[in-house]
Amino acid sequence: DVKVTQSSRYLVKRTGEKVFLECVQDMDHENMFWYRQDPGLGLRLIYFSYDVKMKEKGDIPEGYSVSREKKERFSLILESASTNQTSMYLCASSFFRDAGGVAQYFGPGTRLLVL
Amino acid sequence: EDQVTQSPEALRLQEGESSSLNCSYTVSGLRGLFWYRQDPGKGPEFLFTLYSAGEEKEKERLKATLTKKESFLHITAPKPEDSATYLCAVHYGGSQGNLIFGKGTKLSVKP
Repeated sequence: DVKVTQSSRYLVKRTGEKVFLECVQDMDHENMFWYRQDPGLGLRLIYFSYDVKMKEKGDIPEGYSVSREKKERFSLILESASTNQTSMYLCASSFFRDAGGVAQYFGPGTRLLVL
Repeated sequence: EDQVTQSPEALRLQEGESSSLNCSYTVSGLRGLFWYRQDPGKGPEFLFTLYSAGEEKEKERLKATLTKKESFLHITAPKPEDSATYLCAVHYGGSQGNLIFGKGTKLSVKP
């Protein structure tokens, strides 16, 4: 079974704090993704990575950065947390295939509250 | 504009009452269409991948079908434990990150 784990299920932070969300997958997947999910807006891609040290911006990268130093680990960083970053954050991973069409497997999510 | 639309937004069924959920899409270069199940407060759980029109996949009470413009998730004789939000996602184009999610259909099955 594919397993994607996220470092925290719930997190409460203050405005202006630097926040680190960690994601680890155990299936040797090349691709890793960070999404946020908000009511009425669905899942929106923040960043993804298709290899170690490689990253691409998704639809809403502003206010976020990412780090991928090892294949199994993908970190999302909120440089200076703001209240509009309160959300459910979901990490996902998948195999890389040129033709695409490969399912992503999701972690349990981190519910972040920024006060 | 590339988009994925799911309908209905919410569906309430009695146990045993079969129905279908719809996912319509307008993208260029479909690479795959995915169905996920999401329980409250949890991450989406992968159900099916469909690649080409005419393809069908089944798992227990669920059956997914695909045409050139839409996909259906048929639920036969649902049980209360099938209650969840069902998400459709489409991968298109060349980038590994070109995945659009629909907003989901929230299914409630009453005993």
